[in-house]
Amino acid sequence: ETGVTQTPRHLVMGMTNKKSLKCEQHLGHNAMYWYKQSAKKPLELMFVYNFKEQTENNSVPSRFSPECPNSSHLFLHLHTLQPEDSALYLCASSQNRASATYEQYFGPGTRLTVT
Amino acid sequence: GQNIDQPTEMTATEGAIVQINCTYQTSGFNGLFWYQQHAGEAPTFLSYNVLDGLEEKGRFSSFLSRSKGYSYLLLKELQMKDSASYLCAAGGYQKVTFGTGTKLQVIP
Repeated sequence: ETGVTQTPRHLVMGMTNKKSLKCEQHLGHNAMYWYKQSAKKPLELMFVYNFKEQTENNSVPSRFSPECPNSSHLFLHLHTLQPEDSALYLCASSQNRASATYEQYFGPGTRLTVT
Repeated sequence: GQNIDQPTEMTATEGAIVQINCTYQTSGFNGLFWYQQHAGEAPTFLSYNVLDGLEEKGRFSSFLSRSKGYSYLLLKELQMKDSASYLCAAGGYQKVTFGTGTKLQVIP
């Protein structure tokens, strides 16, 4: 595998379900990100991890819970979601230096539908 | 606050040149990114400007003016495959703020 991979690619879940999204980067990067992309809206940053430590939580509701066990893996645990959470969830990684953010490499995304 | 502005849509003819503008107001700015996103796909990195001026990379060039909070992406010799959304993004301390993207349609 190369680049950034995400599973599953598509997910349909009910509001009472619990599911997890997985992201893996094979680029040796030190930072990983979760973004939400909805129609007609800009990419919304959700969480940032640098060297496995969460450095940004962009006021995300607690029904989204990230986990970063190491610099290569990132999870997004989902529970009791709302229909408005239906969106494309993108994972990205980058090699940051001196606190500056460099180009990010994105995974293919998970298309989430909450019914 | 963070604010990125770029046109919502543009149309251009195959073989022509198109310029996509972006203005930004962000705190802790350290560089300006451009990404390309085809429908149904993930964004892919095009360019990163840190210093003022024009950076050329094949058919694509990107310009930055830090004093004016302004950037543009220039696409030359347009091809049908260039039809995509182009995302302007301002890099800051450990994160990047994205604009809504400009959907470019290339017509024959």
